[in-house]
Amino acid sequence: AQTVTQSQPEMSVQEAETVTLSCTYDTSESDYYLFWYKQPPSRQMILVIRQEAYKQQNATENRFSVNFQKAAKSFSLKISDSQLGDAAMYFCACAQGGSEKLVFGKGMKLTVNP
Amino acid sequence: EPEVTQTPSHQVTQMGQEVILRCVPISNHLYFYWYRQILGQKVEFLVSFYNNEISEKSEIFDDQFSVERPDGSNFTLKIRSTKLEDSAMYFCASSEARTANIQYFGAGTRLSVL
Repeated sequence: AQTVTQSQPEMSVQEAETVTLSCTYDTSESDYYLFWYKQPPSRQMILVIRQEAYKQQNATENRFSVNFQKAAKSFSLKISDSQLGDAAMYFCACAQGGSEKLVFGKGMKLTVNP
Repeated sequence: EPEVTQTPSHQVTQMGQEVILRCVPISNHLYFYWYRQILGQKVEFLVSFYNNEISEKSEIFDDQFSVERPDGSNFTLKIRSTKLEDSAMYFCASSEARTANIQYFGAGTRLSVL
């Protein structure tokens, strides 16, 4: 069975600083995909970044990048130059190849301090 | 930008009553999903739906649950006889294709069973 673990329930960061959100996962499949979703207060979850497990290169999207350590089954999200609008719940998720379901971590609340 | 819409945002019902949660997926999407999040717990996959039939479901999705796409735009989740433990946030999602494809989420319906 797949599991996704986010061990830090909350973090805070100063505006313009960098923060790293941790996530570990476990899957028996070799074909899988990893995601970070962001959920601002009272809003829907939106995709931040996606990583295919077969790709060695870490995904990046503007200020967001991941550190994908396949052997360690670790998938952390780095947010550079944090902005007030980055404040949200962040969910790490995994999808196995051939399955449509996302398996989520418990989420982490990020606060950005001005 | 197109988005997934869910109605109502909050539904209160009495134990034993039937509820229908409604979702309007993004118009050109072909895959539809329901997830739920019990307060303080992880977001959990319930069911995926494609080509007018269930393509995958979790063990949570028992005979009390059903899904339907009654017309070309709506996607509904019905709970036949609600239990207290059905109280949760229910999220609808849709995607253009399966597995690694991005799932777009609605803002959720909070179901409170009294």
